[in-house]
Amino acid sequence: GNSVTQMEGPVTLSEEAFLTINCTYTATGYPSLFWYVQYPGEGLQLLLKATKADDKGSNKGFEATYRKETTSFHLEKGSVQVSDSAVYFCALSMEYGNKLVFGAGTILRVKS
Amino acid sequence: EPEVTQTPSHQVTQMGQEVILRCVPISNHLYFYWYRQILGQKVEFLVSFYNNEISEKSEIFDDQFSVERPDGSNFTLKIRSTKLEDSAMYFCASSGQGDSSGNTIYFGEGSWLTVV
Repeated sequence: GNSVTQMEGPVTLSEEAFLTINCTYTATGYPSLFWYVQYPGEGLQLLLKATKADDKGSNKGFEATYRKETTSFHLEKGSVQVSDSAVYFCALSMEYGNKLVFGAGTILRVKS
Repeated sequence: EPEVTQTPSHQVTQMGQEVILRCVPISNHLYFYWYRQILGQKVEFLVSFYNNEISEKSEIFDDQFSVERPDGSNFTLKIRSTKLEDSAMYFCASSGQGDSSGNTIYFGEGSWLTVV
């Protein structure tokens, strides 16, 4: 079946550090890929997405590029802030109306 | 910006009682979903709903669970005879069809269910 694997956390960084959270997927076909973020005590918010190979999703300084050759969608940010502390979920979906398959989530803690 | 809304935000119930969690999906969306997240664990798919019927369900979604779209705006999850292990955050979600959002799924803030 389809699945998503994320790097284990927690990831602890100092403010202004560079962030990478690795995500790889297994899918039969070509999924759309997503990053969702869950701030403490809140629901799931879409952070960014990419729907085909080589697409780059970006939002709020975060970026991720859909790499078909490595089946990856790593999340990056050049300079993290304390307010970026949250749980980040990588997910895939195969087509309209299909469910999201989530990775386990990666806790990010940013220290000032 | 349109959003998915859920009620209640938090419910405490006695084991064995029935619970109904309510959701108002984004108005022009056609696909509706329930997910759950047990504290500290991954987000798990429960069920998807399209054209007034279940389109897919997971192993978790057994006879204890049911979903309904009683009118044009609400989407409900009913849990009969709740168990302690049903304690979790339940997320409602919706997605459109062929619109600018593509197959993006939008989530509500969640309903936190505590079974005691």
